[in-house]
Amino acid sequence: DTAVSQTPKYLVTQMGNDKSIKCEQNLGHDTMYWYKQDSKKFLKIMFSYNNKELIINETVPNRFSPKSPDKAHLNLHINSLELGDSAVYFCASSHQGLNEKLFFGSGTQLSVL
Amino acid sequence: QQQVKQSPQSLIVQKGGISIINCAYENTAFDYFPWYQQFPGKGPALLIAIRPDVSEKKEGRFTISFNKSAKQFSLHIMDSQPGDSATYFCAAIEHAGNMLTFGGGTRLMVKP
Repeated sequence: DTAVSQTPKYLVTQMGNDKSIKCEQNLGHDTMYWYKQDSKKFLKIMFSYNNKELIINETVPNRFSPKSPDKAHLNLHINSLELGDSAVYFCASSHQGLNEKLFFGSGTQLSVL
Repeated sequence: QQQVKQSPQSLIVQKGGISIINCAYENTAFDYFPWYQQFPGKGPALLIAIRPDVSEKKEGRFTISFNKSAKQFSLHIMDSQPGDSATYFCAAIEHAGNMLTFGGGTRLMVKP
């Protein structure tokens, strides 16, 4: 069983479209994250959710919105996609208080044309 | 502002050689230093970690050396194998802030 799974694996879309990436974890963790990895492999945290509350919100455009229907899911919605949004997006999870031990999904490669 | 600086950006090592990746940090409040390994098409995975109260931690062929006074730490991969070819990230966390900060990554290629 995959511990942290995200879909889709690949997402190709036109500028201006709205898209969502889904993430689910079956580890019983209570904190989930979204990271963005650019073409140079640099990892940047975007959001963190703990018990359905946003606890970290880096300076990302408000076109990006995380939504957590329950503790096991954290979806990422992106409105009005731009060329610069092209990147690999990773979902991750951890136990509360053990935020140094992250479990990552396999990533979603987003290409905006 | 990059709080954790990692070098080199890329590294090529012959099979059986030693791979060394270095990281430096500024924030003295960091109190836990993990290393993550990422294979192509996969997410990063925790490899090994160290706390600043020890100078070295070894797990198999992987060793972290930590120099608190210099605010530097490094990953050594002994007897490097082609299967070690991946991107390696150092990271640091200040538990009070609960945010893991990653270095820029090092792409390691081990040639057969």
